[in-house]
Amino acid sequence: AQSVTQPDIHITVSEGASLELRCNYSYGATPYLFWYVQSPGQGLQLLLKYFSGDTLVQGIKGFEAEFKRSQSSFNLRKPSVHWSDAAEYFCAVRAKQSSYKLIFGSGTRLLVRP
Amino acid sequence: DGGITQSPKYLFRKEGQNVTLSCEQNLNHDAMYWYRQDPGQGLRLIYYSQIVNDFQKGDIAEGYSVSREKKESFPLTVTSAQKNPTAFYLCASRKNEGVQPQHFGDGTRLSIL
Repeated sequence: AQSVTQPDIHITVSEGASLELRCNYSYGATPYLFWYVQSPGQGLQLLLKYFSGDTLVQGIKGFEAEFKRSQSSFNLRKPSVHWSDAAEYFCAVRAKQSSYKLIFGSGTRLLVRP
Repeated sequence: DGGITQSPKYLFRKEGQNVTLSCEQNLNHDAMYWYRQDPGQGLRLIYYSQIVNDFQKGDIAEGYSVSREKKESFPLTVTSAQKNPTAFYLCASRKNEGVQPQHFGDGTRLSIL
């Protein structure tokens, strides 16, 4: 079955430290990959997406993600976290042959220590 | 500015009552979606519509209904058949072109009185 796994429910980092949020997917072929961020009580904002080509993709707010086909992973990174980055982060995948079906991971809540 | 507007932001439902959540978009997007979000479970697809006057069930459609009479609007009705409606509901839309991503509204939180 198709699935997305975000193994970390919570992550706490100090402000200014680096961040990596993990995402693994299970799919028959390489899907389209997305990272979204959600602040409390708000909708989801797209951070970045991967469709093809360069496996390191840049997004908004200084985030980047690296697609690793051999590991079925699409981990999100940021070199220096700001307090405003505290939020919930969702990884999502979409099959290339399906225009509607987004499958979401269960999310990782990021806490930032001052 | 273009965007997706969900209303109301908070909604309370009495037992046995149907309630309707509004979703309007002015992005000229073709497809619209409704998701339910529960703590620790990510988002689950309730219904989606690729074009006007057509919609399909998602993974958890039981107890919900939708309509798509206009391109801009995709209201969701939570019926009394939905026994556990307390959740955060998110509406999304996208342009049906290639690899366009889904864009989300700010959500409606539904609670039972």
